[in-house]
Amino acid sequence: GDSVTQMEGPVTLSEEAFLTINCTYTATGYPSLFWYVQYPGEGLQLLLKATKADDKGSNKGFEATYRKETTSFHLEKGSVQVSDSAVYFCALSDGSEKLVFGKGMKLTVNP
Amino acid sequence: SQTIHQWPATLVQPVGSPLSLECTVEGTSNPNLYWYRQAAGRGLQLLFYSVGIGQISSEVPQNLSASRPQDRQFILSSKKLLLSDSGFYLCAWRSTGDYNEQFFGPGTRLTVL
Repeated sequence: GDSVTQMEGPVTLSEEAFLTINCTYTATGYPSLFWYVQYPGEGLQLLLKATKADDKGSNKGFEATYRKETTSFHLEKGSVQVSDSAVYFCALSDGSEKLVFGKGMKLTVNP
Repeated sequence: SQTIHQWPATLVQPVGSPLSLECTVEGTSNPNLYWYRQAAGRGLQLLFYSVGIGQISSEVPQNLSASRPQDRQFILSSKKLLLSDSGFYLCAWRSTGDYNEQFFGPGTRLTVL
């Protein structure tokens, strides 16, 4: 079946550091890909998405590019802030009723 | 715009007591609805989903059940809670249609003592 593999961390960075969270997927067909963020004590929020190969999703300084050739959707941010401390989930939709989530990665950014 | 509500926000219950968590969605019709559980602040476990009134699909065998009495209402229940039912419960909705994202509610923190 379809699956998502992502870095699990936890990861601790200093403010203004560069962030990369790797995400690779296995799916038949051409899924849509998502990054969700969960701040402490809250539900998940959609951070960005891409629906076809070579699409780049971006939001709040975060970017991810849908790479069909490497089946990847890595999340990047050039300069993280303390407020980016959260758990990040990569997910895919293959057209069925369910989303497939990675296990999530906890990021802590120190001042 | 669409909004999703969950209540209560937090709940502390004794072992063996019943449970009812409610989720409602506003601003959309005929959504797909989902219940997830999250333990230890990390991974998501899909418990139930529903594609219409009265239609429930169970993903994990357990002592929980779900019901959808109205189009935009989704209820998670238990007759007798176990310690292992403690966790963060998230409701989500998704508009029908291929490849769409899900939108999550604020969650309910359940502690079973």
